[in-house]
Parts: sequence; C-alpha cells; structure tokens
Amino acid sequence: AQKITQTQPGMFVQEKEAVTLDCTYDTSDPSYGLFWYKQPSSGEMIFLIYQGSYDQQNATEGRYSLNFQKARKSANLVISASQLGDSAMYFCAMREDLYGNKLVFGAGTILRVKS
Amino acid sequence: KAGVTQTPRYLIKTRGQQVTLSCSPISGHRSVSWYQQTPGQGLQFLFEYFSETQRNKGNFPGRFSGRQFSNSRSEMNVSTLELGDSALYLCASSPGGDRGYEQYFGPGTRLTVT
Repeated sequence: AQKITQTQPGMFVQEKEAVTLDCTYDTSDPSYGLFWYKQPSSGEMIFLIYQGSYDQQNATEGRYSLNFQKARKSANLVISASQLGDSAMYFCAMREDLYGNKLVFGAGTILRVKS
Repeated sequence: KAGVTQTPRYLIKTRGQQVTLSCSPISGHRSVSWYQQTPGQGLQFLFEYFSETQRNKGNFPGRFSGRQFSNSRSEMNVSTLELGDSALYLCASSPGGDRGYEQYFGPGTRLTVT
C-alpha cells in the first residue's frame, strides 16, 4: 500500500538558516514520483520540487533541494537560507505510475521561520 | 499561462443540499484530480478524470461524483451534504503521461456545511 510518513508535526528555524523536513515513503511500484508542496495559510498548494524514482541526481529548485535516498525510502526537503515567507505547511506526496496521477499525501509539517 | 482556476472560492450550504464545484485546468492539461482536505483526515484523493473518463477513484461514498468535459474542465458534485463534508476541495491539473510530474493545484473551494 502506498504510504507517506512525515514525522515532524512542527518545526522552527531561524531566518537565514537551513532546515530539513523529513519524509519517508512506502511503495511496491518501481516507478514513482515524489513531490513537495507548500501550503500557506491562504490554502493554495504550491508545487516546490519533484523527484522521479529513476532520477540519478537529487532534484534542486532554487533554495529547495530534495535529498533522495532510495534504499532508505526517504525524500527529505532541504530549504536553504530560510525566509519569513517560508512559514507554511509543507506536504510530501507520492505518485505511483500504476495509479495515474493520484497523489498520496503525508500529514504535513508546519514550518515557522523566526526572525 | 493561466493557472488552475476553481469556482466558487467559498460556499456555505445546508445539510441535505447538494453542491457543484468547478475546476478549469491549465491549458493543454488533460488530467484533473480532486482532493478533499480536512483537519482530521488531511488530504485525501477523491477521483481523477483524464480525457473525459474517470481513471481513478478514492474511497469516498457515492454521494461524491464528478465529470469532465471535452475542454477538460471538470465538475464535482456532492449530494445530500453532511456536516463532515465541510472541507477545502482542491483540484489538480496535469498533462498526464510522461509529464505526470507536472501536478498543479488550484486555490481550492472552501465548503462549509451548516
């Protein structure tokens, strides 16, 4: 069964520091994709970064990078140089090719950036 | 390129009524998925439509239904509303296929059932 686990309900980080948000997943499908989304208090889900299961290199998008460890089934999000605007809920999600575009989400991590 | 749009943004309904929500995907995207987000259950997949056909369905009762039109716009309908249907309903658009990594969400429709 597809499952995403985010073990950190909430995190604090000092402005300008880096922070890692944890995500582990479980799947029996060899072909899958992993996503991170940011959800500010407004409710909109903002796409941050994507990692395919066959991608050799870790994905990066600006200040976001995904630390993909396939053997450990983990896909942690690293945010460098945190900004106050990074305060939001962060969701890890997985798409298995077998199931079309269905995404399975974790419970989310609330990140608060302190000035 | 315009993003995913959802209408209405906010809705208040009474228990027992029905409601229809609309989602317009990004131009060229053929897949539309719907999700329900509640504080208790988190984000849960409702269903996905691709080229007017339902491709996937989540574990929701038959009161939840959807459809997709030839222009890829999608609607979801909830009949006989219950208090527990109060939620943020999000739709996501994707080109599908090899570009399934492109999954973009709309701003959501916040439904309150009283």
